[in-house]
Amino acid sequence: DVKVTQSSRYLVKRTGEKVFLECVQDMDHENMFWYRQDPGLGLRLIYFSYDVKMKEKGDIPEGYSVSREKKERFSLILESASTNQTSMYLCASSSGTPWRDGANVLTFGAGSRLTVL
Amino acid sequence: GQQVMQIPQYQHVQEGEDFTTYCNSSTTLSNIQWYKQRPGGHPVFLIQLVKSGEVKKQKRLTFQFGEAKKNSSLHITATQTTDVGTYFCAVEGGYQKVTFGTGTKLQVIP
Repeated sequence: DVKVTQSSRYLVKRTGEKVFLECVQDMDHENMFWYRQDPGLGLRLIYFSYDVKMKEKGDIPEGYSVSREKKERFSLILESASTNQTSMYLCASSSGTPWRDGANVLTFGAGSRLTVL
Repeated sequence: GQQVMQIPQYQHVQEGEDFTTYCNSSTTLSNIQWYKQRPGGHPVFLIQLVKSGEVKKQKRLTFQFGEAKKNSSLHITATQTTDVGTYFCAVEGGYQKVTFGTGTKLQVIP
């Protein structure tokens, strides 16, 4: 089974701190995604990546950056955390190869709940 | 970017009643996916619809893709407490980009 592992389940940070959220997948997937989930707003796409060192802005990239130096790892960075970034962050991956089984089906990690004080 | 409207936002049903959630897009979709998120869990893939007018069933769940490929529905027959959770539709809106609807939170009253 595809496994997507997020490094921290719960984090508490202070306003202005730099925050790193790490995500690792073990199925050689090309695509990786970061979403944030807030009540009533569903899952909103922050950034995604379809290849190593490639990144694309999602719908709400402001205040975030990402890094993908290796295929299996996709990091979300909050350069200067703010209270409005308190949220559940979900990482996901999918195969970008159209002929592979389950292509573009997202597999999610367990999530990282970030609280910014 | 690609936007999908999902309704209703919440639904409370008595156990044994049916439940339906709808996703609507203003543009034609290449495909649509459905996910379920149990309370405290993460979204899990249920199904993908690709063809116009497609209907797929998984036990008590029926998924439909509209003829114009602009809308989709998920119908649960005779809900059970195990159906509790939030149901999301998801669409591709550009190269490899996947956008989710706002979700429908289902509560089943025993």
